Amino acid sequence: EIVLTQSPGTLSLSPGERATLSCRASQSVPSNDLAWFQQKPGQAPRVLIYHASSRATGIPDRFSGSGSGTDFTLTISRLEPEDFAVYYCQQYGLSGPIPFGQGTRLEIK
Amino acid sequence: EVQLVESGGGVVQPGGSLRLSCAASGFTFSDHYMDWVRQAPGKGLEWVGRIRNKANSYFTEYAASAKGRFSISRDDSKNSLYLQINSLNIDDTAVYYCARIHLWPHRYFDYWGQGTLVTVSS
Repeated sequence: EIVLTQSPGTLSLSPGERATLSCRASQSVPSNDLAWFQQKPGQAPRVLIYHASSRATGIPDRFSGSGSGTDFTLTISRLEPEDFAVYYCQQYGLSGPIPFGQGTRLEIK
Repeated sequence: EVQLVESGGGVVQPGGSLRLSCAASGFTFSDHYMDWVRQAPGKGLEWVGRIRNKANSYFTEYAASAKGRFSISRDDSKNSLYLQINSLNIDDTAVYYCARIHLWPHRYFDYWGQGTLVTVSS
């Protein structure tokens, strides 16, 4: 089973700054089938990125994903106030198990 | 508009059972795999299990932590997904989400319900 490790645990930045979030897999992610989710308090997760770098429908282009194999990155080019939330990476596929990373909390500095 | 609405959560005593439901609308439910994910208070996301579609024999699979006590089923005629949880324990306290799996080739979680809270307490 693949284990996903996200870093940092908490990231403190100001609106307008660039955010870089990391997700490292314990073994190569098949077909680079890695997704990123955003979750705000009291809300369900929302998919941002799938297949490592494809933006989901309706996601602003300030969100971008990159990486392959075992190392993946979510970048938010210029932070908006509504971007402060918890972010999870996830390896998905035809079959389980379906692991999630432990999350990165993006907070306002 | 795709909608997923969970129900059936509540307060249950340890050892009890619960059946959660997820009502789907706005898409062809029978085409999609469907998953359950849970989130304990203040914790991260944990995959619970999956049920495939009819074309794939409604095959089910579960996380190791869910095997034996959790059972996923679906009724395509009612556009509904279910999660039966038996022998509930304190560690099962969580918000339970249903999620739709995008169609081939990228089977990512594209829509989620708002969740239903299960609290296991005596």
